[in-house]
Amino acid sequence: GENVEQHPSTLSVQEGDSAVIKCTYSDSASNYFPWYKQELGKRPQLIIDIRSNVGEKKDQRIAVTLNKTAKHFSLHITETQPEDSAVYFCAARQLTFGSGTQLTVLP
Amino acid sequence: ETGVTQTPRHLVMGMTNKKSLKCEQHLGHNAMYWYKQSAKKPLELMFVYSLEERVENNSVPSRFSPECPNSSHLFLHLHTLQPEDSALYLCASSYSSPGGERGEKLFFGSGTQLSVL
Repeated sequence: GENVEQHPSTLSVQEGDSAVIKCTYSDSASNYFPWYKQELGKRPQLIIDIRSNVGEKKDQRIAVTLNKTAKHFSLHITETQPEDSAVYFCAARQLTFGSGTQLTVLP
Repeated sequence: ETGVTQTPRHLVMGMTNKKSLKCEQHLGHNAMYWYKQSAKKPLELMFVYSLEERVENNSVPSRFSPECPNSSHLFLHLHTLQPEDSALYLCASSYSSPGGERGEKLFFGSGTQLSVL
């Protein structure tokens, strides 16, 4: 079955800096890669997703890149703000999730 | 509010009890999911129902029994659980079945925090 690995498990950045979280997957048939943000005590919420027919997608300060050949995809957050602090999960389709990255944005 | 409602929010049960978790979605989706979220572990997919038919089951122990009477309601029946089953159980819904091309965005409920004593 599919296996998704996510790195790093924790990430601290200064406010205004960029943050990058990386995931790799194993099943070349996977064609949909969402990213979810989960604030403490709250439900996961989709922040951005990408399909296998594109290499990059942007939404304001958030972007996702996909390298199908290498089977990895990354989340990029620019100009980070304290409210970006949360756990971020990548996934391959809805079936297999990464282990999560605790992002802390320091004011 | 995402349109996915889970009850109860918290549940404490003994190992010999039988209880059920309930999920309801008001988004017109045709797929519903149960996930388990334990501390320090990834979200684990337990069950998927698409068009009311179970399409995937990741070898979940039989002490967890799902039921999907219609496309808007999903239950998780629990019996003779173990302490290691203590976790947050999340329900989610989406428009398409796994691998489908139409809008696979998941909408999660707030979860049921389960403690097994």
